[in-house]
Amino acid sequence: SQQGEEDPQALSIQEGENATMNCSYKTSINNLQWYRQNSGRGLVHLILIRSNEREKHSGRLRVTLDTSKKSSSLLITASRAADTASYFCATDGEAAGNKLTFGGGTRVLVKP
Amino acid sequence: NAGVTQTPKFQVLKTGQSMTLQCAQDMNHEYMSWYRQDPGMGLRLIHYSVGAGITDQGEVPNGYNVSRSTTEDFPLRLLSAAPSQTSVYFCASSYYSTNTEAFFGQGTRLTVV
Repeated sequence: SQQGEEDPQALSIQEGENATMNCSYKTSINNLQWYRQNSGRGLVHLILIRSNEREKHSGRLRVTLDTSKKSSSLLITASRAADTASYFCATDGEAAGNKLTFGGGTRVLVKP
Repeated sequence: NAGVTQTPKFQVLKTGQSMTLQCAQDMNHEYMSWYRQDPGMGLRLIHYSVGAGITDQGEVPNGYNVSRSTTEDFPLRLLSAAPSQTSVYFCASSYYSTNTEAFFGQGTRLTVV
């Protein structure tokens, strides 16, 4: 069963706008990761945030983690058409045997 | 640097046929895994390996076999294909099973008719 659940399932925005997606999970984790998947391609790692971290930045990406609410958010600022993709959160923790478990993803469409 | 290479990219099988999906990585990663991706289901773990000679089952292992004779290669075998195995299959590798990013292959789109 999936550990992480992304919300919303789909998101459509205009180029230049910010995109925010959320991930909720059920059991305690070691870390949480975000991945991007372009249509027909493999997943590409974006960012990893450890359970003792609250916020992390990478370029136009900002990730927050709230372990008390068992949730994370991914913010993409000043979106571009090239950001059109599916975004997945993945967690690993003792309950999942320390193996990476993925959510169902958020499909993001950035319109030019 | 090739990263993780999967072959073939596309495959059509008849029900009952067997085949092997190949996966190779050139990053000297100990941990390798196979996932299947179905619409709306995210990625589900089929089998994984923490090193040469060591494999274990994931969430959805039925109908699949794996072996790990070398660090580089981790093939996935479908023993007797069924329409329910129609999916996109991804191989991934990483230094460890946890606390590290995973590198994914480009995927194999399998259709079982």
